[in-house]
Amino acid sequence: DAEITQSPRHKITETGRQVTLACHQTWNHNNMFWYRQDLGHGLRLIHYSYGVQDTNKGEVSDGYSVSRSNTEDLPLTLESAASSQTSVYFCASSSRGSGEQFFGPGTRLTVL
Amino acid sequence: AQKVTQAQTEISVVEKEDVTLDCVYETRDTTYYLFWYKQPPSGELVFLIRRNSFDEQNEISGRYSWNFQKSTSSFNFTITASQVVDSAVYFCALRNPYTGTASKLTFGTGTRLQVTL
Repeated sequence: DAEITQSPRHKITETGRQVTLACHQTWNHNNMFWYRQDLGHGLRLIHYSYGVQDTNKGEVSDGYSVSRSNTEDLPLTLESAASSQTSVYFCASSSRGSGEQFFGPGTRLTVL
Repeated sequence: AQKVTQAQTEISVVEKEDVTLDCVYETRDTTYYLFWYKQPPSGELVFLIRRNSFDEQNEISGRYSWNFQKSTSSFNFTITASQVVDSAVYFCALRNPYTGTASKLTFGTGTRLQVTL
């Protein structure tokens, strides 16, 4: 069955370190998204991609970067982790058109 | 700009009560999609329903029903005869149709529903 996976599921890191969160989908979806979920804010879009080599900034992109070298993967990198980036991160994918977004299980990141 | 408002932060009901979760949205577009997602305590996001702006028919799926009213820009979600397993955070979301670069979801802040025995 097609799915979307994230790794690691839990991560603790220190301020200033570079961290990469992986997202892999087997739906063959063109669109992929990264969100962060924080209490009182719901889900906020960090970055998104509509296809290979395409990346776009979302509403809270500062301090994050993504790259899309193939259809299946959209890794999210925190260049220099900050305590404000402690959050739960969700990856999602969708097909072109009106397809709903399918979400991964989430990664809980703690920056100490 | 798009905006989704879920004014109810938390709702607590006793099992078997009916409960309605409110969702009000703002968009300048005439074509758009509305969604509801459920996030149970385990943390994953589960898709519940998608509704396009041209279809104002209410929808029922078992104990779940959705009331879409364009006149009031609302897309409310009702659970009939609630059960403990309905305890979760529920998110309403809005999306423009895919027009090349416009298929992002705008989420509300969520409503936490607690169903007790």
